[in-house]
Amino acid sequence: GDSVTQMEGPVTLSEEAFLTINCTYTATGYPSLFWYVQYPGEGLQLLLKATKADDKGSNKGFEATYRKETTSFHLEKGSVQVSDSAVYFCALINQAGTALIFGKGTTLSVSS
Amino acid sequence: DTAVSQTPKYLVTQMGNDKSIKCEQNLGHDTMYWYKQDSKKFLKIMFSYNNKELIINETVPNRFSPKSPDKAHLNLHINSLELGDSAVYFCASSTSGHDQQYFGPGTRLTVT
Repeated sequence: GDSVTQMEGPVTLSEEAFLTINCTYTATGYPSLFWYVQYPGEGLQLLLKATKADDKGSNKGFEATYRKETTSFHLEKGSVQVSDSAVYFCALINQAGTALIFGKGTTLSVSS
Repeated sequence: DTAVSQTPKYLVTQMGNDKSIKCEQNLGHDTMYWYKQDSKKFLKIMFSYNNKELIINETVPNRFSPKSPDKAHLNLHINSLELGDSAVYFCASSTSGHDQQYFGPGTRLTVT
């Protein structure tokens, strides 16, 4: 079945460091891909998305490119801030369109 | 205006009780969902529902049942609560199954 694998955390960085969180997927066809972010004590917010191969999603300085050949959707940011500390989830829509399939989440902690 | 709202935000109850969590969306979406987030932050679909079809994740115990009085609401009823039901429950909605989902703030259920 469909699945998402993302790097285990926690990831600990200093402010202004470069961030990469790896995400790969297994799915039938070419699903839409998403990154969601969960700040402490809050719900899930959509960070960015890509709906087809080679699409690049971007928001708030974060970027991810839909790579069909490597079945990947890695999240990157050039310079992280303390306010980026959160849990990041990579996800895809299953083929039936009935559910988001999530990775296990990666906790990011940024210190000043 | 809150797009997807849930009540209550916190729910503490004893084993064996029956409880409900309410969800409302004011986005005019056709499809609503319930997800469970366990203590390790892992998110898993429980149900998806539009006005025509209910899709149930086969791993969900039949003590859990969604009820939709109208298109804007999808409530979650839980009978005979067990310790293992303790988790954060998220409601979500989307225009269709393949679009991005908008999440509520979550309900933290604690069963003692």
